[in-house]
Amino acid sequence: QSVLTQPPSVSEAPRQRVTISCSGSSSNIGNNAVNWYQQLPKKAPKLLIYFDDLLPSGVSDRFSGSKSGTAASLAISGLQSEDEADYYCATWDDSLNGPVFGGGTKLTVL
Amino acid sequence: EVQLVESGGGLVQPGGSLRLSCAASGFTFSSYWMTWVRQAPGKGLEWVANIKHDGSDKYYVDSVKGRFTISRDNAKNSLYLQMNSLRAEDTAVYFCAREMATTPNAQLDYWGQGTLVTVSS
Repeated sequence: QSVLTQPPSVSEAPRQRVTISCSGSSSNIGNNAVNWYQQLPKKAPKLLIYFDDLLPSGVSDRFSGSKSGTAASLAISGLQSEDEADYYCATWDDSLNGPVFGGGTKLTVL
Repeated sequence: EVQLVESGGGLVQPGGSLRLSCAASGFTFSSYWMTWVRQAPGKGLEWVANIKHDGSDKYYVDSVKGRFTISRDNAKNSLYLQMNSLRAEDTAVYFCAREMATTPNAQLDYWGQGTLVTVSS
């Protein structure tokens, strides 16, 4: 059972927009920055979003992040087949004194 | 170019030990917090341990406290994870990663390719 809660899977058609939610608590999302990772099959995770809504250099602006209270979300617009991957939210947890990850969401592009 | 290359994984019996290494290049290793993250087969990501840039602070997930030790050698640009008293539930791909922030914040901007640890008799 992950500290951060994500839907196990989401699906949407190409060129559409999808959002992935991440729910936490005051000890993690409510008090710390949220980061998002994309993990393509058989690959290492890649930092997609940091500090809630910032994009690292080289990441497409089709990806965006937001946070409100103890919940965060990742939005992907203009879906492409290459976006099929697992997506994880992550943040620091003040109670556990360490990083915590969500359980991951598998995105399927129909 | 930043590179992180893990090594040392393999098959080990329950109760055994293994030492993972992560060779870093392309950046000033001694300036960054470093982290180990693992992923059990078919499962999600789990933080294992992290270590301050000078090795003075170390943190562990509860499930590995007392069994795993994270360390680093800044002169060799290397990160290590000594794993003792291994259990079946430690079976996973272990990734080393760089923390991009000056204080740990789960912002891991570079990852290695991972090394597989299998604990089985």
